[in-house]
Formats: sequence, C-alpha cells, structure tokens
Amino acid sequence: DIQMTQSPSTLSASVGDRVTITCRASQFISHWLAWYQQKPGKAPKLLISKTSNLESGVPSRFSGSGSGTEFTLTISSLQPDDFATYYCQQYNSYYTFGQGTKLEIK
Amino acid sequence: QVQLVQSGAEVKKPGASVKVSCKASGYTFTSFGISWVRQAPGQGLEWMGWIAPYNDNTNYAEKFQGRLTMTTDTSATTAYMELRSLRSDDTAVYYCARNRCYGGNCYTDNWGQGTLVTVSS
Repeated sequence: DIQMTQSPSTLSASVGDRVTITCRASQFISHWLAWYQQKPGKAPKLLISKTSNLESGVPSRFSGSGSGTEFTLTISSLQPDDFATYYCQQYNSYYTFGQGTKLEIK
Repeated sequence: QVQLVQSGAEVKKPGASVKVSCKASGYTFTSFGISWVRQAPGQGLEWMGWIAPYNDNTNYAEKFQGRLTMTTDTSATTAYMELRSLRSDDTAVYYCARNRCYGGNCYTDNWGQGTLVTVSS
C-alpha cells in the first residue's frame, strides 16, 4: 500500500502569509495527486488534481507542484476563508489520503 | 449541477449492519464510479472502496474485505454502502464521492454531505 505523509500536521499563519504544505508518497506516484480542503462539519472540497490542475472556481492563490514522491500545496496570500484542514490524496493505486494539515490563525 | 445526497444519521449496536444510500443527480450516473470514504471523529480520511455503476465492478480496501458491500440501483441513480459486523471503531462520518477518471487513474471530485454512523451499545 502507498502511504502518504503530510507535513506539518498543524500550521499557524496570518492573513496575507504565504504557506506551503508538503506531501510525500512512500513510492512513486507520478503526478497522480490531488488536494482537498475540509472545513469542520463539511465534506472535503477538491482544490487541485493531477498535482497542479486547479479546479474550476478555486482561487488562483492556490497552486500545486511536484512529481514522483514529493508534492506541495502553496497558498500565496492567505485569506480568512482558507483556514481549514488540507488533505493530499494519491490516486496512482487506489486511493490513500495524507493525515491532514490543520491551518490555524496565528 | 452535480449533487450527491446521502441518507440520514444512523445509530447501530455492535454486531449490526448499516446501509447508507447516496442519490446522484446532475450527471449521467453510469458514466462515473462512486467511492466511499469514511472519517472517524477528529481523524483523517479513509478510503473504503469504489463501485462502477455501469457494470457493478467493485474494489474494496483490504481492511474491509468480507464485511463491506457496495451496490447501485441505476434506475434510481443511487449507490449503496453496507457495512456488517459493526464495531465501536466503525463510528464515523461516511461519505460517497464521484470518481472522475482519466485513463486508469481516478480521483474524487464531488462529495456527498456525509452520513454519521454511531455504533454504541
């Protein structure tokens, strides 16, 4: 099974900050990686597929990069609506999610 | 617009079964697979398996083999997830999600609102 490791688990930041979340796969997954945002009591929302493809309607301050085993999600200038938990998901072989990164207000 | 609407919360005793439904609308039901993902309280997301409505082919995560069954009713554009022999650690919110595929690689794009299943004696 492919394991996904996200870091950090918790990130404290302020509005306007640039933040980066990292996701590492235990084996090669090419570019088959997605990112989701989840707010308390809500279903996950797809932000990015295939490492860097932004979903329709997702603000351009979100971006993704990487390949192989290491990937990043970057938010260029944090907005109040961005404080949430973020998950990566590999879909090279079935699905595995990272453990999540909680983005908190500093 | 794509919508997945799930059935309501359930409370079950250990050893019982639960069946959660997921009504799809806004797209051609048989053209997209459906995944089921669960989330225990305060925990992360765990993929359980998926089903292809056009032929009912399924793939289940190994840990659920033997007590999980996914089915669909194409006339009702509804997917179902049944989990048997429930234990307290099956207490979770269960989500259905639509699979979007490119070649053999699929990811989940639209999600249902979630169904809380509580297992308690």
